[in-house]
Amino acid sequence: TQLLEQSPQFLSIQEGENLTVYCNSSSVFSSLQWYRQEPGEGPVLLVTVVTGGEVKKLKRLTFQFGDARKDSSLHITAAQPGDTGLYLCAGAVEYGNKLVFGAGTILRVKS
Amino acid sequence: NAGVTQTPKFRILKIGQSMTLQCTQDMNHNYMYWYRQDPGMGLKLIYYSVGAGITDKGEVPNGYNVSRSTTEDFPLRLELAAPSQTSVYFCASSSSGLAADTQYFGPGTRLTVL
Repeated sequence: TQLLEQSPQFLSIQEGENLTVYCNSSSVFSSLQWYRQEPGEGPVLLVTVVTGGEVKKLKRLTFQFGDARKDSSLHITAAQPGDTGLYLCAGAVEYGNKLVFGAGTILRVKS
Repeated sequence: NAGVTQTPKFRILKIGQSMTLQCTQDMNHNYMYWYRQDPGMGLKLIYYSVGAGITDKGEVPNGYNVSRSTTEDFPLRLELAAPSQTSVYFCASSSSGLAADTQYFGPGTRLTVL
């Protein structure tokens, strides 16, 4: 069974602070996806990284895929209250786009 | 655009009852998925389908059944509900089976089994 360990589980920070969420595995993934989920809604895709070492930026969010395609990180610069939510990483395994999800990081940004 | 729709939004079942969770997508996607999300556990794949008439088990299929008679619909059936099936269920779809393809999720069904 392929597992994705996501850390930290909870993060409560002040507006303007920076933060990093980590997603680690002993398995290699074809791609790594990051989702954001609001209460009462389904996850919404933020980004997909495919190539080892790949870095993608989405405004204040920076996503990195490890060289060996086993780990990934999400860095948020100058967090804002609107960033509050559940962040999930998910690794795609095998053909069929089946996803293995991490347990999630609950982020709370206080104003 | 409706995307992926799920019904019902909430449901309470008694132990041993059965029910069907409905999922419909209007994006003409071939691939559809059912996940369950438990607190602090992330999402786990229950079943998936690569096209009409084709389904396969995911990581946690026990206690569930699916069918895919049309491209649009992918219902999930619980035959004998158990407390362990209390969870939030999400349906998703993608246009292909490529690992980098986007999965679009429905709003979820919150199920409680008492």
